[in-house]
Amino acid sequence: EPEVTQTPSHQVTQMGQEVILRCVPISNHLYFYWYRQILGQKVEFLVSFYNNEISEKSEIFDDQFSVERPDGSNFTLKIRSTKLEDSAMYFCASSGTGRNYEQYFGPGTRLTVT
Amino acid sequence: GENVEQHPSTLSVQEGDSAVIKCTYSDSASNYFPWYKQELGKGPQLIIDIRSNVGEKKDQRIAVTLNKTAKHFSLHITETQPEDSAVYFCAASPGDYTGRRALTFGSGTRLQVQP
Repeated sequence: EPEVTQTPSHQVTQMGQEVILRCVPISNHLYFYWYRQILGQKVEFLVSFYNNEISEKSEIFDDQFSVERPDGSNFTLKIRSTKLEDSAMYFCASSGTGRNYEQYFGPGTRLTVT
Repeated sequence: GENVEQHPSTLSVQEGDSAVIKCTYSDSASNYFPWYKQELGKGPQLIIDIRSNVGEKKDQRIAVTLNKTAKHFSLHITETQPEDSAVYFCAASPGDYTGRRALTFGSGTRLQVQP
């Protein structure tokens, strides 16, 4: 069964450093998403990406964040200058087009900012 | 924006009993409502979903009902088993062709099934 994969599973970084989280969406999906989940809290939407551009973003997704699809398989989330409050689980998800709204999530990357 | 409320926050049932989790939403533009199961250390797993043109959907022991007028939807798990123990999240989305597909999640329900 196709699945979304994410690397790394755990990333530790110092405040102010840049991090890149990587995702490989399901191969025939065309919508890609990033969500985050702070420990013990609800899952929050960050950004969606379709046709090589951002289609939606939340208030959390400020200028410190960017997304990119550098090739035909990877989808990345970059945080330019990490803050302590960026510590969270980051989930990538993907879905099809048309009325295929089902979003399938990866296992997540735990980001710890020290 | 959309706001999704979920109750209860924790639910403990005996194996074989039924479990019901309820959610309400605020945005009348929402018309896609998935449910996710999250096990410890894993990503959310889609278990069932419903669209606004349907009032109920079943898949084996799991069913979801939707009342669009009242803006609430519920997850029903029958004949619960210990492996059903997890955190369950409801979510809502406009799910439309303009590209608005962001999921707004509820706060989660920790279901514990006692053997």
